[in-house]
Amino acid sequence: QKEVEQDPGPLSVPEGAIVSLNCTYSNSAFQYFMWYRQYSRKGPELLMYTYSSGNKEDGRFTAQVDKSSKYISLFIRDSQPSDSATYLCAMSTYSSASKIIFGSGTRLSIRP
Amino acid sequence: DTGVSQDPRHKITKRGQNVTFRCDPISEHNRLYWYRQTLGQGPEFLTYFQNEAQLEKSRLLSDRFSAERPKGSFSTLEIQRTEQGDSAMYLCASSLGLAGGPSSYNEQFFGPGTRLTVL
Repeated sequence: QKEVEQDPGPLSVPEGAIVSLNCTYSNSAFQYFMWYRQYSRKGPELLMYTYSSGNKEDGRFTAQVDKSSKYISLFIRDSQPSDSATYLCAMSTYSSASKIIFGSGTRLSIRP
Repeated sequence: DTGVSQDPRHKITKRGQNVTFRCDPISEHNRLYWYRQTLGQGPEFLTYFQNEAQLEKSRLLSDRFSAERPKGSFSTLEIQRTEQGDSAMYLCASSLGLAGGPSSYNEQFFGPGTRLTVL
């Protein structure tokens, strides 16, 4: 079993919809939680970062962490065609913060 | 452009050959990371450096793989006696590691990757 599980999709939604992306994990030592966006043939870029539990909002993006359920989410409001990409959840422990463990990524397509 | 750069962007080689990739981090960043990404998967951590010191290596990094960062600036990743299973995207990232040491989180900035195909 992988430490981080993520539904690979693909997920296709109409422009303007709210998108919900999720990951589950098994290692209770994870403290840093991240969401990356990766366009085709590009490296990942950091979208959101959260330490421990709670919510964080940045523009149209909201990240949620529920450590009791070992479950993290990313919500995208008012989705745009330019949001079409692969979204990777990622996490690391306090003692080894530099060693990031990624999910397999969810491929998202926003239909105009 | 002051981002992370990687060279070459694409490499095709025959099984059994050696290959070397280069990564140039963002200039003031003291930490440098290597990841491998196969199709349909997320990046997998291989190793990371703080300045010249290689601080952590994944079990994925077999003895055919070696990474160096001799002057604490650019880094090279060499794969000896390549196998078809080595075909993947090799990603480099860099970050500014602050005084908190390995337990401090620092945003990692990724390069565009080197796509390796082993025939």
